[in-house]
Amino acid sequence: RKEVEQDPGPFNVPEGATVAFNCTYSNSASQSFFWYRQDCRKEPKLLMSVYSSGNEDGRFTAQLNRASQYISLLIRDSKLSDSATYLCVVRAGRRALTFGSGTRLQVQP
Amino acid sequence: NAGVTQTPKFQVLKTGQSMTLQCAQDMNHEYMSWYRQDPGMGLRLIHYSVGAGITDQGEVPNGYNVSRSTTEDFPLRLLSAAPSQTSVYFCASAPGTGEATQYFGPGTRLLVL
Repeated sequence: RKEVEQDPGPFNVPEGATVAFNCTYSNSASQSFFWYRQDCRKEPKLLMSVYSSGNEDGRFTAQLNRASQYISLLIRDSKLSDSATYLCVVRAGRRALTFGSGTRLQVQP
Repeated sequence: NAGVTQTPKFQVLKTGQSMTLQCAQDMNHEYMSWYRQDPGMGLRLIHYSVGAGITDQGEVPNGYNVSRSTTEDFPLRLLSAAPSQTSVYFCASAPGTGEATQYFGPGTRLLVL
């Protein structure tokens, strides 16, 4: 079983739609959680950290459910520029980051 | 600042050849790491370093060596290339081991025939 699991997609949505991705992690000792974004054939970049109380950054909302060990990312009012692969990332203590394989989003005009 | 730079961008090797992938950062970051990314596998950690002179193995270290003689540079050496090492390699750096924001280089695409 992978330590971090994501639905690979693709999620094809029209502009303006709301889309949500989920991610599950297996290591109950995980303490830090993040979403990274990766454009096609480019390097990953941090999108946002995920906090226990949930957090928002503009059109993006991240939620964490420690009891069920899953993390979600909600994107409202999707833009064409949101088309990318979204990587769920966790860290247990001071260990290195563990990346999920990503969920691909394609926003269509 | 150039951030994290990697060379070469693309490389084709024959099985058994050796080569070094270069990585440099100009942000004075203590932490540097190497990942490989394969389709459907996500990024997997190969080796990492928490400072000059200190390196450690990640999840998939076999077939790779690293060294960290300076804060800026963290080269990855393939000792005897195999087709299974065909992948995209990313180098990353961060101010410390507790930092979420790892800054990635643009990647090196390697094909081993």
